[in-house]
Amino acid sequence: SQQGEEDPQALSIQEGENATMNCSYKTSINNLQWYRQNSGRGLVHLILIRSNEREKHSGRLRVTLDTSKKSSSLLITASRAADTASYFCATIYSGGGADGLTFGKGTHLIIQP
Amino acid sequence: DTGVSQNPRHKITKRGQNVTFRCDPISEHNRLYWYRQTLGQGPEFLTYFQNEAQLEKSRLLSDRFSAERPKGSFSTLEIQRTEQGDSAMYLCASSWGLAGRVRGQETQYFGPGTRLLVL
Repeated sequence: SQQGEEDPQALSIQEGENATMNCSYKTSINNLQWYRQNSGRGLVHLILIRSNEREKHSGRLRVTLDTSKKSSSLLITASRAADTASYFCATIYSGGGADGLTFGKGTHLIIQP
Repeated sequence: DTGVSQNPRHKITKRGQNVTFRCDPISEHNRLYWYRQTLGQGPEFLTYFQNEAQLEKSRLLSDRFSAERPKGSFSTLEIQRTEQGDSAMYLCASSWGLAGRVRGQETQYFGPGTRLLVL
């Protein structure tokens, strides 16, 4: 079963605007990661935020984590056409078990020129 | 290109046939993962190797699925007696992780995947 749920499922914005995607998860985690997937480059790691961190930046990406609400957000600023892709949050349970990532269903982002 | 590679990229087979996929991880990575992704869903974890040892298997990995990593380098995933429900993208990922580290701190690098269609 999927651990995370991304919201919205689909998002269409104009180039240059900011895009915000949210992720909610169900159980305690060690960290949360965001991945991007498009047909050209497959699944690419974007950013990892640890459970004791609240905010992290990487270029045009800003990720927040609220462990009390079991939620995270990914903000992409000044969007570009190349940002068109599906974005997934992924976690690993902190309570033991599989070392594999548990992904949400993703947000499909479309950047319109 | 020294990323994760997977072969074949596409496979069409008839129900009941066996198929085998190969994954070549990033050379210095000791961990290798297999995931399955169906249309409109995120990837789902199947199994995980630390060097040549298979340490974890998901409940999704039925008896018809078997994975190996004989020399701790490349890995194969075999599906026996394929069913139409096996149609999916099969993704491989690799990472470098130290024993005793906090779980999930390393980045997993994904290959392009093998798309399987069972007719």
